[in-house]
Amino acid sequence: KAGVTQTPRYLIKTRGQQVTLSCSPISGHRSVSWYQQTPGQGLQFLFEYFSETQRNKGNFPGRFSGRQFSNSRSEMNVSTLELGDSALYLCASSLPSSDTQYFGPGTRLTVL
Amino acid sequence: GESVGLHLPTLSVQEGDNSIINCAYSNSASDYFIWYKQESGKGPQFIIDIRSNMDKRQGQRVTVLLNKTVKHLSLQIAATQPGDSAVYFCAEMSRAGNMLTFGGGTRLMVKP
Repeated sequence: KAGVTQTPRYLIKTRGQQVTLSCSPISGHRSVSWYQQTPGQGLQFLFEYFSETQRNKGNFPGRFSGRQFSNSRSEMNVSTLELGDSALYLCASSLPSSDTQYFGPGTRLTVL
Repeated sequence: GESVGLHLPTLSVQEGDNSIINCAYSNSASDYFIWYKQESGKGPQFIIDIRSNMDKRQGQRVTVLLNKTVKHLSLQIAATQPGDSAVYFCAEMSRAGNMLTFGGGTRLMVKP
């Protein structure tokens, strides 16, 4: 079974721009969570989607948003990029009946 | 907010020795704990998990121990191999939300 896939793997943007990252969960997984990983703050929860609805949200500004489609694929968007948004953005998926989250390889975002 | 072992120590072991990686958590409401391994350039990889109604769980070459009295979690790796070299993260989840709170990670270095 294919794992969680994320596209693109690498992205370079400039301040003020916006970016959209994509995540395809493992087949059959309906919950998708997003995390930001930086050397200074570690892994931090952004939000979680289940059946196209946001169930949980972390402590990030409104510039960070996401959505989930009927096929469970998810996207996250960051508007008005700041230098501090440079990070590895990780997506994880899980089965409806399980707490175990499986991660994708991440998208490395660099903001110049 | 709640924290889980926010530091990044380094553990250096000889190939073939056993490794023990420790993690402290602070949320007594957490009832699910998980260990991940992250290699450079990759997303976190699931190793083993444990629920709060257990104090020990074993996998292949790995054992997780949970001490709820002192809010301590440990990962034991038997016969450590060079391929075990990575950063290891513990994470917790409470019933308050379907999201993982991560520790700062421990870097494991295996000397041949």
